[in-house]
Amino acid sequence: AQSVSQHNHHVILSEAASLELGCNYSYGGTVNLFWYVQYPGQHLQLLLKYFSGDPLVKGIKGFEAEFIKSKFSFNLRKPSVQWSDTAEYFCAVNVALNDYKLSFGAGTTVTVRA
Amino acid sequence: DTAVSQTPKYLVTQMGNDKSIKCEQNLGHDTMYWYKQDSKKFLKIMFSYNNKELIINETVPNRFSPKSPDKAHLNLHINSLELGDSAVYFCASSQPYRVSEAFFGQGTRLTVV
Repeated sequence: AQSVSQHNHHVILSEAASLELGCNYSYGGTVNLFWYVQYPGQHLQLLLKYFSGDPLVKGIKGFEAEFIKSKFSFNLRKPSVQWSDTAEYFCAVNVALNDYKLSFGAGTTVTVRA
Repeated sequence: DTAVSQTPKYLVTQMGNDKSIKCEQNLGHDTMYWYKQDSKKFLKIMFSYNNKELIINETVPNRFSPKSPDKAHLNLHINSLELGDSAVYFCASSQPYRVSEAFFGQGTRLTVV
């Protein structure tokens, strides 16, 4: 079964700093990759997703992620964070041939200080 | 205009009680899911229904029983609640077998005391 690991449990940074959140998965086959965000008190929202093609994926709110197949990684980046980026970030994977189950990482809490 | 709505948002109850969490979606989706987020924030799928039929049951204790009266609703009933059931439960919906494009609810924080 596939698994997802997120390296950072809690990240604290100042506004305008750059953000990078690590995500690695374990599955040898074709996968779809996702980053979700959960703002305080709100539902999970899809930030971006990768199915195929260009490994650099751009999402909403200035976020991007890069799929590196050889490293089984899908790291999330934002060059300059804002206070409103304070949230929980979840990486998720599903097996492309089995598109009914998402496997999530443990999440990373991002706190942006004004 | 909420797409996927869960009620209640918070639920505090005693061990041994039976409780239900309701989920409704107004997106016209055929497939609905229940996920459990434990204290370590891991989100794990519990159940999935497609057009009112169970398609995923991820080794969840039979004290948990999903009920889908119609394809817009997937309620979660829990019997004989235990301390370990304390978690945040998320409902989601999608087009059939398109969990990659699922919409999630806000979550229900269940605390068993």
